[in-house]
Amino acid sequence: AQRVTQPEKLLSVFKGAPVELKCNYSYSGSPELFWYVQYSRQRLQLLLRHISRESIKGFTADLNKGETSFHLKKPFAQEEDSAMYYCALTESGGGADGLTFGKGTHLIIQP
Amino acid sequence: DAGVTQSPTHLIKTRGQQVTLRCSPKSGHDTVSWYQQALGQGPQFIFQYYEEEERQRGNFPDRFSGHQFPNYSSELNVNALLLGDSALYLCASSPLGPYGYTFGSGTRLTVV
Repeated sequence: AQRVTQPEKLLSVFKGAPVELKCNYSYSGSPELFWYVQYSRQRLQLLLRHISRESIKGFTADLNKGETSFHLKKPFAQEEDSAMYYCALTESGGGADGLTFGKGTHLIIQP
Repeated sequence: DAGVTQSPTHLIKTRGQQVTLRCSPKSGHDTVSWYQQALGQGPQFIFQYYEEEERQRGNFPDRFSGHQFPNYSSELNVNALLLGDSALYLCASSPLGPYGYTFGSGTRLTVV
């Protein structure tokens, strides 16, 4: 069965410090990985997808198939990055299959 | 574009009752998925509709059923409500393909 693990429920860092949100997955096929973000009082929104290899709001994530990880990183945290972050996976291959989400990490950026 | 819209925003039902939640996808999206998000948890996939048919289903009992209409809007029905069905129900739409989903704000269902 596919599973996404986000080991940290809460992560607090100071403004300007590097941020790394961990995500590990268990999946027998070829996964497609996503990071979703939910800012306070806003809806869940897509932050980035591994297949696009893009950087959004300074965040990047690299898929490591050997370690089955997809950690989210940002070199210098900003206060507006405070939010809930969810890692998710689905089967790759062209279909918009259902997503399997982790439980989320609440990121707090302290001034 | 209003994005994904869901109604109602909040709902209180009694155990054993039935409930219907509604979703209008983002313009141009033809695939609608439903998720259940319990407090402190990530969203859990219920099912997905495409071309008015259930295309994929997560690990939810048959009490959870759905429908998609020709205009791509969708309904989620839950029968014989249990206290454990209390959650935020999210609707998400996308074009068919690996493009990522657009989520609605959700319907908060409380079963008492």
